[in-house]
Amino acid sequence: RKEVEQDPGPFNVPEGATVAFNCTYSNSASQSFFWYRQDCRKEPKLLMSVYSSGNEDGRFTAQLNRASQYISLLIRDSKLSDSATYLCVSRSPYNTDKLIFGTGTRLQVFP
Amino acid sequence: NAGVTQTPKFQVLKTGQSMTLQCAQDMNHEYMSWYRQDPGMGLRLIHYSVGAGITDQGEVPNGYNVSRSTTEDFPLRLLSAAPSQTSVYFCASSPLAGDRIGVTEAFFGQGTRLTVV
Repeated sequence: RKEVEQDPGPFNVPEGATVAFNCTYSNSASQSFFWYRQDCRKEPKLLMSVYSSGNEDGRFTAQLNRASQYISLLIRDSKLSDSATYLCVSRSPYNTDKLIFGTGTRLQVFP
Repeated sequence: NAGVTQTPKFQVLKTGQSMTLQCAQDMNHEYMSWYRQDPGMGLRLIHYSVGAGITDQGEVPNGYNVSRSTTEDFPLRLLSAAPSQTSVYFCASSPLAGDRIGVTEAFFGQGTRLTVV
């Protein structure tokens, strides 16, 4: 079983739609979580850090559920420019500090 | 502001050749890592380092060597290239997380597209 798992999609949604991605992680000791965005053939870039209380940045909301070991990303009012692959990331704690990526969820927003 | 610099951007190798992918960062980050990305597989960790002189294996280390003689540089060596190593390689760096939560964004280089024929 992969340490971080995501539904690969693709999610095809119209402009203006709300879409949610979930991600599960297996290492209960993981401390930090992130959502990265990756455009085709480019390097991943940080979209949001995920805090235990949940956090919001404009149209994007991230939630963490430690009891069930999952992370979610909600995108409201989707734009064409949101089309990309969204990568869920967990970070191992303390000395290992490994960043582990999920396989990514592809989002395609159409007009 | 250079950030993370990877070279080369593109490379074609013949089976059996060796080469080194370079990665340098100017942010004084302790943590550096190498990933490979293949279609449908996401980013898989090859090797990582939490400081100069310290390296460890990730998920897919076979066929690759690393060293960390300085904080800035973390080269990845392919010892004897194989077609299975055709991939896009990304180097990333970040501060160490330690026991801090949510403050350790990783920065990526632009990637090296490697083809082994």
